[in-house]
Amino acid sequence: DAKTTQPNSMESNEEEPVHLPCNHSTISGTDYIHWYRQLPSQGPEYVIHGLTSNVNNRMASLAIAEDRKSSTLILHRATLRDAAVYYCILIFGNEKLTFGTGTRLTIIP
Amino acid sequence: GAVVSQHPSWVICKSGTSVKIECRSLDFQATTMFWYRQFPKQSLMLMATSNEGSKATYEQGVEKDKFLINHASLTLSTLTVTSAHPEDSSFYICSARDRPSSYNSPLHFGNGTRLTVT
Repeated sequence: DAKTTQPNSMESNEEEPVHLPCNHSTISGTDYIHWYRQLPSQGPEYVIHGLTSNVNNRMASLAIAEDRKSSTLILHRATLRDAAVYYCILIFGNEKLTFGTGTRLTIIP
Repeated sequence: GAVVSQHPSWVICKSGTSVKIECRSLDFQATTMFWYRQFPKQSLMLMATSNEGSKATYEQGVEKDKFLINHASLTLSTLTVTSAHPEDSSFYICSARDRPSSYNSPLHFGNGTRLTVT
């Protein structure tokens, strides 16, 4: 499985944008980049996914580097409810998801 | 959107007893469901893939006779922890895709079951 590397933790002020990086230098041409987040004591929640082009939805934006070796999840205006562990995962087709350690995001009021 | 429901949300049992956890897809059919386990301050670890109408596929190191999985219908998978011991205390989470035939459709997760074995 292609691996991803994320910072262990990040902090951001409330109501400011947050950029969560993910490196995936061994990504293959058919791997999709998925992001999930896990709030305390809950199951993970799907955030966004993409292949090559940048993607936007109501939760976040996903910026994918031109060489696809890295990507950035963007929360445009962080709230306290965005405090969670964010996981960047590469997946091909409908194979199972393998979680790494993710980035623990702390929002400072 | 697609919803996966897990029951119970928490359970306490005595050592040596068995516990059953249910995972239901509420508004879609799931031919495949995934079971994860998560210890405190750790990431999710995939235990097994549950296949409707056939045997589950277990990940390396997961005892199939201890963690019994039954996927009897397109909307229900169950995980039974048999002869539970304190080291089985963990957060168990199931997941499923609402469009398994759609390339790269996202996974939907239940809210987890916190098992405490005394």
